[in-house]
Amino acid sequence: QSALTQPASLSGSPGQSITISCTGTSSDVGGSYYVSWYQQHPGKAPKLMIFDVNNRPSGVSNRFSGSKSGNTASLTISGLQAEDEADYYCSSYTSTSTLVFGTGTTVTVL
Amino acid sequence: QVQLVESGGGVVQAGRSLRLSCATSGFTLSNYGIHWVRQAPGKGLEWVALISYDGTNRYYADNVKGRFTISRDNSKNTLWLQMNSLRPEDTAVYYCARDGGGYSDIVTGPFDYWGQGTLVTVSS
Repeated sequence: QSALTQPASLSGSPGQSITISCTGTSSDVGGSYYVSWYQQHPGKAPKLMIFDVNNRPSGVSNRFSGSKSGNTASLTISGLQAEDEADYYCSSYTSTSTLVFGTGTTVTVL
Repeated sequence: QVQLVESGGGVVQAGRSLRLSCATSGFTLSNYGIHWVRQAPGKGLEWVALISYDGTNRYYADNVKGRFTISRDNSKNTLWLQMNSLRPEDTAVYYCARDGGGYSDIVTGPFDYWGQGTLVTVSS
């Protein structure tokens, strides 16, 4: 149950797009449709942003989108805004019926 | 509205036990799997355990297997995480989270609603 690998930090200017990668193995990301993404602001509980690779829950901005290729999933934030500054985590269902999170990415809006 | 409220956290010595509770409201608990997720101070999220809608299926992270037990009572709209043989590395905020997959034996995520968390501190 090794954590999925994410870049520790990313930054972008308002209006730009950034993409956060989430790399696992064929036993989790590569073999699962159940990949999700979470946003967490300091001192707050995480919030679901993307589920089942590329689906947005009701109320989540369409500036957030997800995709997957092989063992790597990605979250793209388009039109970066100040309120997007937060920590982001991916998660995947695994072949052993457990779940695993990514290492987390801190997004900074310059 | 959907709510999950954790309680039972506190300071405990290594080797002792603690039981966390997760009280739910605003949805039919018996239709949903539930997870426990933790976050050590300044660290990332770590999945801990899951239980299916009826309690039939339960799975644990390797580092808590044999020490932690997840359970539920749908009639009381409550879940628990019994934590035994606690270690300093178990120090974290513990969240309960609803599984958005709904009524299924296979609990896959996503975690669509979260509680506010309860802090567990294990002293050595």
